[in-house]
Amino acid sequence: DAGITQSPRHKVTETGTPVTLRCHQTENHRYMYWYRQDPGHGLRLIHYSYGVKDTDKGEVSDGYSVSRSKTEDFLLTLESATSSQTSVYFCAINYRGLSYEQYFGPGTRLTVT
Amino acid sequence: DQQVKQNSPSLSVQEGRISILNCDYTNSMFDYFLWYKKYPAEGPTFLISISSIKDKNEDGRFTVFLNKSAKHLSLHIVPSQPGDSAVYFCAASAWAGNMLTFGGGTRLMVKP
Repeated sequence: DAGITQSPRHKVTETGTPVTLRCHQTENHRYMYWYRQDPGHGLRLIHYSYGVKDTDKGEVSDGYSVSRSKTEDFLLTLESATSSQTSVYFCAINYRGLSYEQYFGPGTRLTVT
Repeated sequence: DQQVKQNSPSLSVQEGRISILNCDYTNSMFDYFLWYKKYPAEGPTFLISISSIKDKNEDGRFTVFLNKSAKHLSLHIVPSQPGDSAVYFCAASAWAGNMLTFGGGTRLMVKP
């Protein structure tokens, strides 16, 4: 168990509203990632972090921002949600320091109406 | 353009037989490959991986084969069990700590 939790697990929101998803880990892992999963696309990287206040963009970062003010929390914000952001969002960590293997949280299903 | 592709969206296999899931990639910079298993309403679970310096890695019923010249890898599950029914994702990475690039997934159904 990599000790990753995500909240909320499910959310329905309206177009144009801001939304923040939270990823929390309990073991001081340095690297954290946000992915979205969509049918036919697998998982695609949105943003990642390699330490407190150190973040960078991934493959599909438009419309998303992130923050990491504490090691244990990595927040993903949709500034103004759109229907194209309806997806399942997964947080991941590198469990063993700097490694290839990433371990995923349980996911947040977000629906934008 | 997708750098990692799983061309079979689904696969059905009889219990006890071999399941073979395939994955192709285009980026020569990838040097590490992983397979993840995903059940509905759960996060992906790491299954097995292989470095580009190897051509085979085995872990119990699961074996991953890598053909670098063909830019192709496959996951073999022998024998297949009903509990193996899930979506399997192939992923690749260019260096440790880097993003994972995923294929679109293959849904495996193992029939009793």
